[in-house]
Amino acid sequence: GAVVSQHPSWVICKSGTSVKIECRSLDFQATTMFWYRQFPKQSLMLMATSNEGSKATYEQGVEKDKFLINHASLTLSTLTVTSAHPEDSSFYICSARALRGSSYNEQFFGPGTRLTVL
Amino acid sequence: AQSVTQLGSHVSVSEGALVLLRCNYSSSVPPYLFWYVQYPNQGLQLLLKYTTGATLVKGINGFEAEFKKSETSFHLTKPSAHMSDAAEYLCAVSAYPGGATNKLIFGTGTLLAVQP
Repeated sequence: GAVVSQHPSWVICKSGTSVKIECRSLDFQATTMFWYRQFPKQSLMLMATSNEGSKATYEQGVEKDKFLINHASLTLSTLTVTSAHPEDSSFYICSARALRGSSYNEQFFGPGTRLTVL
Repeated sequence: AQSVTQLGSHVSVSEGALVLLRCNYSSSVPPYLFWYVQYPNQGLQLLLKYTTGATLVKGINGFEAEFKKSETSFHLTKPSAHMSDAAEYLCAVSAYPGGATNKLIFGTGTLLAVQP
């Protein structure tokens, strides 16, 4: 149990286009999902916290108009990178916090999405 | 501010040898500490966590870690490495006493290689 999926697993796009990444909790409900970004040889950095039915909370330095987050249901959150540029190329990972059960409050991580902007 | 330092981005051990992955943290509040493992193309999996109580924490796959407040450390160990232990290991500290409910601050990770 407690599986989180991400789609796509990798994507290549042209500069200026927008890319949507989906994060799904497959077998549990999650009121909160987290979006992280990881550059090579650097730490996993929290970008934003996504709460179902409300606006996401962005970390300092993260442009909310560039990284649009929608958490429309208890099992799905999406991250849209708008007008992507090469510097947005990175590994994006989501995690979901279980709503109830023995794993309450634990974060479960997706496998990540590799974004390459040409 | 909270931070995590993992010494050694790459560690190589022989199969059957002791595994020691180092993690030091900085936190202005009592920390909650975590070790995650990441296999290629898979999500992070929680190995173990320290919240309160016993400072020696046992996790899955034979791993354990000891919280040492005086040394601000939370090193991960396993007595005997197995080939299947080859993976990326990430140490994390919770920025707030709420544990995994709140923000996780990660180290840069240590890639463990196990030689036959």
